Amino acid sequence: ILNVEQSPQSLHVQEGDSTNFTCSFPSSNFYALHWYRWETAKSPEALFVMTLNGDEKKKGRISATLNTKEGYSYLYIKGSQPEDSATYLCASPDNNAGNMLTFGGGTRLMVKP
Amino acid sequence: KAGVTQTPRYLIKTRGQQVTLSCSPISGHRSVSWYQQTPGQGLQFLFEYFSETQRNKGNFPGRFSGRQFSNSRSEMNVSTLELGDSALYLCASSLVGGADVLTFGAGSRLTVL
Repeated sequence: ILNVEQSPQSLHVQEGDSTNFTCSFPSSNFYALHWYRWETAKSPEALFVMTLNGDEKKKGRISATLNTKEGYSYLYIKGSQPEDSATYLCASPDNNAGNMLTFGGGTRLMVKP
Repeated sequence: KAGVTQTPRYLIKTRGQQVTLSCSPISGHRSVSWYQQTPGQGLQFLFEYFSETQRNKGNFPGRFSGRQFSNSRSEMNVSTLELGDSALYLCASSLVGGADVLTFGAGSRLTVL
């Protein structure tokens, strides 16, 4: 079972602020890195899946980068809005034979209007 | 298209009983995985089924079991329930696995009294 860690655990920002969080994972035997957003009372929703070192993905105001050599990924949110308030989870598969994902503990983002 | 459907959404059981949860994946998705979410532990992988075969298994006791049917629908069973089994059980489906995004259901919230 992998050790996937996220920081910070929680974050309070003002509407309009830009913010970023970190996901750390083992750099050996890397297969993929997933990011999900989990809003209260809803299901986790996929944001990105990245596989290649140097990958950068963007979805609206949210973007992510991947460094597989050093074992980290950053998630950026530009101009945070109250609707961005959610828990952001990263996860990595334990092997390349399926969906045995190890999730980090998540970063809980709260955006104040 | 229809999303991932989990039933029941909420249930209350007593210690020693057993419970069966159901998950219908997105049409065409062959991989179904199950996760347990508790406040202290975050999302923990239970098992994954692909084409009716268990492909991956997490570190849970044998009281937790599952299966997948030919139409890709999956069930998980927990026997001899313990108080610590109280959790949100999430099912997720994907096309094949690995670098595929997971689509999560709304979850089944189990309370064991």
